Amino acid sequence: GDSVTQMEGPVTLSEEAFLTINCTYTATGYPSLFWYVQYPGEGLQLLLKATKADDKGSNKGFEATYRKETTSFHLEKGSVQVSDSAVYFCALLHNFGNEKLTFGTGTRLTIIP
Amino acid sequence: DGGITQSPKYLFRKEGQNVTLSCEQNLNHDAMYWYRQDPGQGLRLIYYSQIVNDFQKGDIAEGYSVSREKKESFPLTVTSAQKNPTAFYLCASSFNRGRSYEQYFGPGTRLTVT
Repeated sequence: GDSVTQMEGPVTLSEEAFLTINCTYTATGYPSLFWYVQYPGEGLQLLLKATKADDKGSNKGFEATYRKETTSFHLEKGSVQVSDSAVYFCALLHNFGNEKLTFGTGTRLTIIP
Repeated sequence: DGGITQSPKYLFRKEGQNVTLSCEQNLNHDAMYWYRQDPGQGLRLIYYSQIVNDFQKGDIAEGYSVSREKKESFPLTVTSAQKNPTAFYLCASSFNRGRSYEQYFGPGTRLTVT
């Protein structure tokens, strides 16, 4: 079955540091890939997405590229801020009739000033 | 503003009582979903519904029930048969057409059963 593996947290970085959160997946075919962010006590917000190989999703300075050859969708940001502190979830969705999102376990990110 | 509302934000119940969590959306989405989130874990799918008057079990449906009588509403009942009901419950919705099936989430309801 489908699965998503994220790097284990928690991750703690200083403000303005470079961020990478690794995400790899196992799935047949060509799923769509997503990064969601969850701020404390809130629901999930879609951060970015990519629907086919080599697509790059980007939003709020975050980027992730859909790499089919390595089955990866790593999240990156060049200079993090304290306001980026949250839990980040990688997820995949098949495009042919199965609308169920498969989530990774989440990575808690804390940015210190 | 369009969006998904869940109420209440916090809910407390005694063991053995059924409890219903509300989820309403005004995004004109066809599909709605219920997820459960436990500390340190990803989200797990409880039930989903692609159209009115139809729904399917997700990965952890035991001890839960749902209804979908209106497009906008998808309430979840946590029954006394659910062995470990204390969790954060998230409702989501999406269109059923188009390639990405992007899901939008509500703010969640934190249920505590003692």
